[in-house]
Amino acid sequence: TQLLEQSPQFLSIQEGENLTVYCNSSSVFSSLQWYRQEPGEGPVLLVTVVTGGEVKKLKRLTFQFGDARKDSSLHITAAQPGDTGLYLCAGVRSGAGSYQLTFGKGTKLSVIP
Amino acid sequence: EAGVAQSPRYKIIEKRQSVAFWCNPISGHATLYWYQQILGQGPKLLIQFQNNGVVDDSQLPKDRFSAERLKGVDSTLKIQPAKLEDSAVYLCASSFGTSGRRTGELFFGEGSRLTVL
Repeated sequence: TQLLEQSPQFLSIQEGENLTVYCNSSSVFSSLQWYRQEPGEGPVLLVTVVTGGEVKKLKRLTFQFGDARKDSSLHITAAQPGDTGLYLCAGVRSGAGSYQLTFGKGTKLSVIP
Repeated sequence: EAGVAQSPRYKIIEKRQSVAFWCNPISGHATLYWYQQILGQGPKLLIQFQNNGVVDDSQLPKDRFSAERLKGVDSTLKIQPAKLEDSAVYLCASSFGTSGRRTGELFFGEGSRLTVL
C-alpha cells in the first residue's frame, strides 16, 4: 500500500500570511496532483506535476515536485479567505488503460479575515 | 459540458438497512471511480472501473458493498447491510483513459452523504 503523508493536518492563519503544505511518500509516482475541496463539493484539480524538480505557479499558489518524484509542496502567498478549504495531494500511476490515484488525508486550511 | 451527476445527495438510514447510490459520469470518460470520504479525511478508493470492467476493488468490503457499471456508462454502489462506520460521503469521479496525452485528472461529483443511525 502506497501512503501519502500530508502535513500539517490542520492550519489556521490570518489573511495575508504565507503558508506551505507538504506531501511525502516512500513511493515514486508517475505524477502528482493537488486538489482543493470545499464543503459539500467534490475535489477540484489545481495542478498536475510530472517532472522531478518541476515548479508550477497558479496565481498565488506555487507547487513543487521533489527531484525524486516522491514528495511535493504547495506554497500559498498572501492567503485570502477564499483559499479556505481541504487541500489534497494525490499520487498518480497508470496501467491497464486507466489512472490509479492514491490520496493523502488532506490539509484543512482556514484563512481568517 | 455536464459534470458528474450523483444521487441522492443525502441519505439517512438505520444500521442493517440497505442503500444504493447512483452515478452518471461525464460523457466519453472511460474510467469511473467510487471513493469513500470520512469527515475531514482524504478520499479512499472503493472500486475503479475501466469501461464496464473492474480495474481495482481491493479495498471494497465485499461482504456488504457491491458496485456495477451498467453498459460502461452509469454506475450504482450498494451497501447491504449498512453499519455505523459506513457513515461518510461517497464520491463518484470519472476520467479519460490513458490514450493520448492525458494528465489523469479526475472529475468529481458533489457526493452522496450517508448517515447510518
